[in-house]
Amino acid sequence: DSGVTQTPKHLITATGQRVTLRCSPRSGDLSVYWYQQSLDQGLQFLIQYYNGEERAKGNILERFSAQQFPDLHSELNLSSLELGDSALYFCASSVGDVSYEQYFGPGTRLTVT
Amino acid sequence: AQRVTQPEKLLSVFKGAPVELKCNYSYSGSPELFWYVQYSRQRLQLLLRHISRESIKGFTADLNKGETSFHLKKPFAQEEDSAMYYCALSGQMGRRALTFGSGTRLQVQP
Repeated sequence: DSGVTQTPKHLITATGQRVTLRCSPRSGDLSVYWYQQSLDQGLQFLIQYYNGEERAKGNILERFSAQQFPDLHSELNLSSLELGDSALYFCASSVGDVSYEQYFGPGTRLTVT
Repeated sequence: AQRVTQPEKLLSVFKGAPVELKCNYSYSGSPELFWYVQYSRQRLQLLLRHISRESIKGFTADLNKGETSFHLKKPFAQEEDSAMYYCALSGQMGRRALTFGSGTRLQVQP
């Protein structure tokens, strides 16, 4: 599959724990974006990396962090998890730093119990 | 701050009927607007963007700056159009981030 991939598909964990979500962009894409989709907030932009550098930051909590590695895959780290962090986390990628077209992955569903 | 509003959570029409999915935005600058679609069990994908002024799968959308709207229209709905539709705006953060509306579920009945 040459599209955006995300692992794991589902994640169930307890409050206070820490998890890592992984994203591999489409072949050739240098930008990775993270979005959170929750029932009450909808789809919200969290952060963007381009070729390993952070380029834009949205409503990302201090408990959350991300990075993009030299092979361009990205990881979103969520710590001190709360019930309200339960959501779908999407990764998207694009060719350039500023791109009109973002290609989305299937998402990781995080459930915090 | 930029905001996108999709007032309808659900729009149900019969096959062959016209469709209009509403989208209003607020943004002080010159926005770039998009419609994304998510079919059942598929990932979110770009449907169309206002700068290209194209028609995809029979859908069109015109940016009305006076009314700050970007409604999605199709003259004759098909059952395969049933999906979740999201209006999105790119403006802030150097146009790097997309701000999405809450989405409208389109249900086309036979």
